[in-house]
Formats: sequence, C-alpha cells, structure tokens
Amino acid sequence: GAGVSQTPSNKVTEKGKYVELRCDPISGHTALYWYRQSLGQGPEFLIYFQGTGAADDSGLPNDRFFAVRPEGSVSTLKIQRTERGDSAVYLCASSPAGNSYEQYFGPGTRLTVT
Amino acid sequence: KNQVEQSPQSLIILEGKNCTLQCNYTVSPFSNLRWYKQDTGRGPVSLTIMTFSENTKSNGRYTATLDADTKQSSLHITASQLSDSASYICVVSPGSGNTGKLIFGQGTTLQVKP
Repeated sequence: GAGVSQTPSNKVTEKGKYVELRCDPISGHTALYWYRQSLGQGPEFLIYFQGTGAADDSGLPNDRFFAVRPEGSVSTLKIQRTERGDSAVYLCASSPAGNSYEQYFGPGTRLTVT
Repeated sequence: KNQVEQSPQSLIILEGKNCTLQCNYTVSPFSNLRWYKQDTGRGPVSLTIMTFSENTKSNGRYTATLDADTKQSSLHITASQLSDSASYICVVSPGSGNTGKLIFGQGTTLQVKP
C-alpha cells in the first residue's frame, strides 16, 4: 500500500508570505505527527494529532504555526508571515491507532524562505 | 539543551568493515529508544525499537544495545555495504504510554566507501 505522502516536495516562498504544507497519512492510521528538520540536525517535534484533535502541540515554535486535521486523515501545516528561519524540511509521520511505537515518515517538504 | 547526544558526528569506513555508533540520552522517564536510518532527501526509516527493559535487538546486520542504567545506546553495523551510507538517528520516546512525541538526536552521518 501507499506510504505517507507529502506535497509539495519543495516550496520556495518570500519572507512574509503564507504557506500550507500537506500530509496524506497511511490509510487507517489515526495518529499523525509533524516534525521540522534543519540542515544537519535531527527532526524536532512540532505537533501530534490523534484523530481530528491535536493531542500535543507543545512543539509549535510560535503562533505563526498552525496545523489542522479536520477529517482525521489529511493534515495541513500552515505557516503565516514566514521568516527565513522557517527554512527547513518539514516531515510528517503517521502510526496506527493507539500505537506510538512505529511511526512511518513521509519524504518531507523542503521549505525555503527567501 | 539536547536530551539525546550522538557520536561521532560523522564517520567514514570501507565497505565490508564494521562500525559502532553511540547515543547518550538524559530523557527520563522514557518509554522506548529507537534507531532510524535516514537516506539523503528521504524520511527516517525505523531500524530497531527497544523498551527500557530490553538490552539488545537485531535487525539483519544492525544490532542495537541499550543500557538504561547508564542511559547509553549503541548501533552496531556488521559487514557494511555501500547502501548503508546514510544518517543514523537515535530517538527517545519520553514518558509512558502513547504520547506520540519523539526526541531525536542530531544523527551520525555514515559514509561507506568501496
């Protein structure tokens, strides 16, 4: 079956613009996670959804970042008033219901803010 | 403060040789410790997952060890292949239960040369 997919694969935007990053989890996975990975670093947790609700959003760096998952499947990470420091690879992962053990990662979206 | 530290930062070995990567963590309590392999431009892929009560786990040529008393883990790669060239990331799941949140190390970049 299909794995986790993310679109777009690359996004270049100007400072101050708004961007949306999309994640399609593995079908049937109720848990979805967003991470941010800067060059040469490990991924950094942003937010975790269980179903439609954000179970843990403690990793969101500030109120310019917001994520939704309205139907408990596809999720969108939204970044307002982008800054150059937001440039990174944004990774999405999903896992089966009630199982935090195995997270399956997508290929990521590389965001570049110029 | 980085709660998961890995060493070395990078490593070059010849094809066929063995190597060992190290991970020290301060996360406490923790649910499980994982090792991921991340190829350039791809999302991380799980190699091993160990709970605090396990002290070794193998996956083919990869063997992970865990010492929960000293808060150290290692990943040993046997008979390396060119395809092992990647970043290897040590990851700790904090707390207990299904929090979903993972704490990543910065990774060790391994290059296997012919």
